[in-house]
This record gives sequence, structure tokens and C-alpha cells, in this order.
Amino acid sequence: ELKVEQNPLFLSMQEGKNYTIYCNYSTTSDRLYWYRQDPGKSLESLFVLLSNGAVKQEGRLMASLDTKARLSTLHITAAVHDLSATYFCAGRSSNFGNEKLTFGTGTRLTIIP
Amino acid sequence: DGGITQSPKYLFRKEGQNVTLSCEQNLNHDAMYWYRQDPGQGLRLIYYSQIVNDFQKGDIAEGYSVSREKKESFPLTVTSAQKNPTAFYLCASSIDRGAKNIQYFGAGTRLSVL
Repeated sequence: ELKVEQNPLFLSMQEGKNYTIYCNYSTTSDRLYWYRQDPGKSLESLFVLLSNGAVKQEGRLMASLDTKARLSTLHITAAVHDLSATYFCAGRSSNFGNEKLTFGTGTRLTIIP
Repeated sequence: DGGITQSPKYLFRKEGQNVTLSCEQNLNHDAMYWYRQDPGQGLRLIYYSQIVNDFQKGDIAEGYSVSREKKESFPLTVTSAQKNPTAFYLCASSIDRGAKNIQYFGAGTRLSVL
């Protein structure tokens, strides 16, 4: 059974600083998703990582995947207040025809001016 | 506009009552999902459906039921057997094929017990 762990669970950082959120998963997962959730809102898809060494970037966010280490990272560069949200990673538990996702517990990111 | 519509936004359940949460999508997606989110926690899968008239239990299906009579609709019933129903419920859908197969989420229903 796939298990997904994120750390840290809470992160406060100053504007302009860099930081990384880590996502470890327990068994083979051939896809890794990152989502963003604002308080009381739904989840917004950020990135899908499909292969070892995959790197995706959007603005100040960059996600990467190392399937051998079973690790994905979400790197925040020069943080701004608008990035305050909870970030989730999710891996895919795949059997034939099964697209079940397993989510981590989330990292609540607060950017302090 | 294409998307996933959940209703109601807020729902209150009395003791012993069954309540139904609606989820409709016009994205022509094959697969639909129901998740439960408790405060400060991740999402846990309740049920999912990959085709019409078929669905599978997720990790926490006890006390819940679903139906998939139409491709566009995947309602979730929270039964009286669910003793702790207070949570944020999210419906999602995906095309269920292709390399990325991203799940897209509705705005959610917040369920509370009176």
C-alpha cells in the first residue's frame, strides 16, 4: 500500500527567502502530483511529474522527482505572500485501470512580510 | 464553462439522518472520486468510479454510499451509520487515461452535525 509523507507540516518563511518542501513515498509510484489549496477552498493542480529526474517550473515554484529515492521536492524561490497556502503531494497507486491517488497530509506554508 | 459543481456548499445533518451531496461535471471525464478532508489533514478517498454503473470503495467507505447512473453525476450519501461525518467533502474527476490523468476538484461541501 502506498504511503505518502510530507515535511515539514508547517512552514513560516519570510518574503524573499527560498525553501523546499519534501514528499517521500513508500512504494513504487509512477506519477507524482502537487496541488495547492487556499483556506476553505478546493485543490488546484500545480504539477504532474511522470519520470525519474523530471523537473517542472511555474513562476517561483519548481518541482522535481527522484523515483530511485522515492522523493519529490517542491522548491520555492524568493517567496511572496501570494504563495501562502497548503501544498499537497500525491502519488498514484496504479493497478490496471486503477487511478487511485494517495495524498500526503499537506504542508501549510505562511509567507511573512 | 467546463467544470465540477458541488452542492450544497454547506450542509447540516441531524442525528440519524441520511444526507446526499451532489457532484456534477461537464468535462466529459470518465472517472469521478469522493474525498474527505478533516482539519489539518490530507485527503482520504471514500469512493471512486471509473465508468457508469460501476464504483469501488476507497480507504474509508464505511458509512457512505454512492451511485453512478450518469457519466456527469456522482452523488455521495452520508448515512446515519457514519458516526463522525463532520468534514470537508471534495469531489474530483479525471479523464482516466493518458499520461497525466490529472484529477480536477470541485469547490467542496462542508458538512456539520447539528
